[in-house]
Amino acid sequence: AQSVTQLDSQVPVFEEAPVELRCNYSSSVSVYLFWYVQYPNQGLQLLLKYLSGSTLVKGINGFEAEFNKSQTSFHLRKPSVHISDTAEYFCAVTAYSSASKIIFGSGTRLSIRP
Amino acid sequence: DVKVTQSSRYLVKRTGEKVFLECVQDMDHENMFWYRQDPGLGLRLIYFSYDVKMKEKGDIPEGYSVSREKKERFSLILESASTNQTSMYLCASHQQGAHRQAFFGQGTRLTVV
Repeated sequence: AQSVTQLDSQVPVFEEAPVELRCNYSSSVSVYLFWYVQYPNQGLQLLLKYLSGSTLVKGINGFEAEFNKSQTSFHLRKPSVHISDTAEYFCAVTAYSSASKIIFGSGTRLSIRP
Repeated sequence: DVKVTQSSRYLVKRTGEKVFLECVQDMDHENMFWYRQDPGLGLRLIYFSYDVKMKEKGDIPEGYSVSREKKERFSLILESASTNQTSMYLCASHQQGAHRQAFFGQGTRLTVV
C-alpha cells in the first residue's frame, strides 16, 4: 500500500518570496508522483508529475519538484510566488499498475501576503 | 479539452434520503473515481472503477455504493444519507495507465440536514 504525508497544512509567504511545500511518501513498490493544485471553488488540476528519468520536474506556472528516492520525498518549489498562486496543493502517488488507485496527501494551503 | 461534469454544484438533502451524485466524462477514459474532500483530511477515495460494470472499494466505502452502466458515467449513491456525509464530493477520470493524469470535476458540495 502507498501513503502520502504533507508536512505542512498551511504555508503563509510574502509575495515574490520563494516557497517549498513538502511531501513524503511511502511505498513497497515503484510509484508515480504528482502535484495537483486546487484554486478556490474549483476542482483539482495537474501541476506536474514524475514518471521516470530526470529527478527535477518542471510544471506549469513556474513550479518545479524534485524526486528524492533515498528520502522518499517529492517537494514542490517556486522561486517567487504571486498572489494568483493562492490555492491548496495536493501531493499524490500511484503504483505501477493500470488499475491502481491514486492516493492523495492531506493538502497544503498556500496563502500569499502582499 | 477533457471535461468531467458533475451534475450539481450544491445539494441539500435530508437525513435518510437516498442521494445520487452523477459524473460524466467525455474523453472515453477507462478509470473513474469518487473522492470526498474534508478540511485537514485531503481527498479520500470512496470507490473507483476501471471498466464498465467494474468497481473497487476505496478507503472509505461504508455508506456508499456506485454504479457504472456506461463508460462515460459513474454514479455515487448514498443509500441513506447521514449528517456525517456532509462533504465536498469530487469525481475524477483518467485513461488506462497509472502514469496518466487525472481530470477532476468541479465538485458537489453536499449538505445533509
